[in-house]
Amino acid sequence: ETGVTQTPRHLVMGMTNKKSLKCEQHLGHNAMYWYKQSAKKPLELMFVYSLEERVENNSVPSRFSPECPNSSHLFLHLHTLQPEDSALYLCASSQSRQNEAFFGQGTRLTVV
Amino acid sequence: KQEVTQIPAALSVPEGENLVLNCSFTDSAIYNLQWFRQDPGKGLTSLLLIQSSQREQTSGRLNASLDKSSGRSTLYIAASQPGDSATYLCAVSFRGGYNKLIFGAGTRLAVHP
Repeated sequence: ETGVTQTPRHLVMGMTNKKSLKCEQHLGHNAMYWYKQSAKKPLELMFVYSLEERVENNSVPSRFSPECPNSSHLFLHLHTLQPEDSALYLCASSQSRQNEAFFGQGTRLTVV
Repeated sequence: KQEVTQIPAALSVPEGENLVLNCSFTDSAIYNLQWFRQDPGKGLTSLLLIQSSQREQTSGRLNASLDKSSGRSTLYIAASQPGDSATYLCAVSFRGGYNKLIFGAGTRLAVHP
């Protein structure tokens, strides 16, 4: 157990559905991140939250909407996704920019 | 553009061999470099973190070195075992952003008995 927990582990959704991914960290960190891992591509940063404020949005389409209600929880709200959004979505946390990042086990998303 | 490259893309070795995985990055202004392990369909497990002021870190059979001036890091795995089979990812936190890790594409390692 890494201290970063993601739910659900697997999700299949239709293109008209709305769903949310959840991430919780038990490490007392002050920054949380969403990354996307598509087949045969390096991990890509989607969003960064520091002290519950979004500090970076890496040109992600608006059909992905992050929410960080407190320093321990991070959500990724999904709506009207496309099949090409199918990927492994990984959450991570760290304490400041110079410290080690810890990742969750990911949510395997399939859009049909 | 800040980029991270890993060589080789894949490696298959017999058990017991000592291995070197390579990582290069385009900008020497970094906060740190991290090596991760990823098993198929799973999340990332942090192996080693090297701060920009450090030259190497060791954990068990793993040793990672950092040469900031040349933009290179190596991950050395001693006496490889079948359980080491996984994808190894190098990630760099470049200065100028908020701990945004830029990842390489990874080295897929297979250690066969």
